[in-house]
Amino acid sequence: AQSVTQLDSQVPVFEEAPVELRCNYSSSVSVYLFWYVQYPNQGLQLLLKYLSGSTLVKGINGFEAEFNKSQTSFHLRKPSVQIRDTAEYFCAVTSSGNTGKLIFGQGTTLQVKP
Amino acid sequence: DTAVSQTPKYLVTQMGNDKSIKCEQNLGHDTMYWYKQDSKKFLKIMFSYNNKELIINETVPNRFSPKSPDKAHLNLHINSLELGDSAVYFCASSQVPSGGPNEQFFGPGTRLTVL
Repeated sequence: AQSVTQLDSQVPVFEEAPVELRCNYSSSVSVYLFWYVQYPNQGLQLLLKYLSGSTLVKGINGFEAEFNKSQTSFHLRKPSVQIRDTAEYFCAVTSSGNTGKLIFGQGTTLQVKP
Repeated sequence: DTAVSQTPKYLVTQMGNDKSIKCEQNLGHDTMYWYKQDSKKFLKIMFSYNNKELIINETVPNRFSPKSPDKAHLNLHINSLELGDSAVYFCASSQVPSGGPNEQFFGPGTRLTVL
């Protein structure tokens, strides 16, 4: 069975500071990994995805993530956050052959302070 | 142009009632999903349809019945609503290639409140 653990439920950070949101996964098969963002009272929007190839993945809004197979991690980073990045961030995993079912982590609330 | 739309956005109803939530996607995708987000923001898949065929049916009470009249629509009907059904329900769609999964596009959500 697959699972995802987001190690921090809340991450407060000052504007223009760097941030890392941590995600670890558990799976016995090859995985595909995603980060989604949910702004208040909105649906989920894809930030970035890892399907194969380069382990450093760049997404929208200046975010990037690195797939580390040996550490089973897919941490999300941004070098300089903005107030508008305040949102809920979800890491998710799926694998081929499981009909695309996404297993989500518990979410991390990123709170950017002025 | 809204890619994945849901109606209604808000739904407030009494315990014991029956209600439906509708979802439509105009992306031409062949797979659609329903997810439930609880009060702690945890997201869990409920159902998935591929070309109108049910392919995922997680452990969900049989009071919940999805229906897909065509591959662009996936509706969720809930009978005998209970307090614990209060949540935000998200519809999503994707085009799943033969080589593996692809990203899912989510609707704006339907906030269901059962009183």
